[in-house]
Amino acid sequence: DAKTTQPNSMESNEEEPVHLPCNHSTISGTDYIHWYRQLPSQGPEYVIHGLTSNVNNRMASLAIAEDRKSSTLILHRATLRDAAVYYCILRDEGGSEKLVFGKGTKLTVNP
Amino acid sequence: GAVVSQHPSWVICKSGTSVKIECRSLDFQATTMFWYRQFPKQSLMLMATSNEGSKATYEQGVEKDKFLINHASLTLSTLTVTSAHPEDSSFYICSATGALASSYEQYFGPGTRLTVT
Repeated sequence: DAKTTQPNSMESNEEEPVHLPCNHSTISGTDYIHWYRQLPSQGPEYVIHGLTSNVNNRMASLAIAEDRKSSTLILHRATLRDAAVYYCILRDEGGSEKLVFGKGTKLTVNP
Repeated sequence: GAVVSQHPSWVICKSGTSVKIECRSLDFQATTMFWYRQFPKQSLMLMATSNEGSKATYEQGVEKDKFLINHASLTLSTLTVTSAHPEDSSFYICSATGALASSYEQYFGPGTRLTVT
């Protein structure tokens, strides 16, 4: 599975935007970029995914570099409930459905 | 959205006993279910993939005779930890994909915390 690299931790202030980076320099042409997050003592939840174009949904935005070797998850206005570990995962849509989790980025949101 | 539940949410058992964890898809048919294990302050580690009606596929290093997985119906998968030992204490999480659910999203259960004394 193609590997992703994320910072171990990041901090943000409430109601400010947060940009969570992810490097995936060995991404293949059929890999989609998925983001999940895990709140404390809960199972992960889907956040967003994309292939080449930037994506927006009610939770976040995903900005994908033109060469696809990196991406950024954007939370437009962080709330205390956004404090979680965020995982950037590559998944080949034509291959296995399984997700391989890396270490993720632990986001702390300060009031 | 699709909902996955797990039961129990936490369990304490004595060393040497077996414990069963249930994973249910509540509003969709889960053709594929996944079982993960997560130790404190670590990431999720995939243990096995199960498809309804067939044998589970275990990841390398996961003992299939110790972690018995049964996916007997499209809404239920079970993980049985046999002859549990303290080192099996962990947070066990299931996820599911399937028909009528999003094709790109895995739906995760809330997890089961197992403590073996």
